[in-house]
Amino acid sequence: QSVLTQPPSVSGAPGQRVSISCTGSSSNIGAGSDVHWYQQLPGTAPKLLIFANNDRPSGVPDRFSGSKSGTSASLAITGLQAEDEADYYCQSYDSSLGDWVFGGGTQLTVL
Amino acid sequence: EVQLVESGGGLVQPGGSLRLSCAASGFTFSNYAMHWVRQAPGKGLEYISTVSDNGGRTFYPSSVRGRFTISRDNSRSTLYLQMASLRPEDMAVYYCARGRGGATKRYFDCWGQGTLVTVSS
Repeated sequence: QSVLTQPPSVSGAPGQRVSISCTGSSSNIGAGSDVHWYQQLPGTAPKLLIFANNDRPSGVPDRFSGSKSGTSASLAITGLQAEDEADYYCQSYDSSLGDWVFGGGTQLTVL
Repeated sequence: EVQLVESGGGLVQPGGSLRLSCAASGFTFSNYAMHWVRQAPGKGLEYISTVSDNGGRTFYPSSVRGRFTISRDNSRSTLYLQMASLRPEDMAVYYCARGRGGATKRYFDCWGQGTLVTVSS
């Protein structure tokens, strides 16, 4: 059971907008810890997608955006493309555990 | 170009030991905290250790504390993970990752390609 909860799967048609939620608690996201997102394409290592809640590393398209409110965060992908089909993970810091923690991951399917 | 290359994975019997290495290049290794993250087959990501930039501080989650030891050699730009008393549930792809930001803001901006550890008799 992950400390951060994500839906196991989401799907959308090309060109559509999808959102992936990441629900935490008062000891992580709600305590003010930043939320970060990673994309893992099939058979590859994770790649940083969003850091510090809503910043994008250079090279990441602005179709990807992040937001955070209360004890939750979201990753939004607009103009969905076939190449976006991947697993997505949120990550934060939990002050009760004293550890960095990941969500369980969400598999995005582009229909 | 920033690059992290893991090595040392393989097949080990339950109760055995293994040492993983992660060779870094393309950045000043001694300026960054480094981490190990693992991924069991078909499962999600799990953070398993951190070492500070100078090697003076280490952190582990309860799942591996007392069995795994993270260390680094800044003169060789290399990160290590010594794993002991290995269990079948330790079987995973092990990634090294570079850390950025303070504790509550920490994220992993660069990842290696991973090395597979198989624990089986």
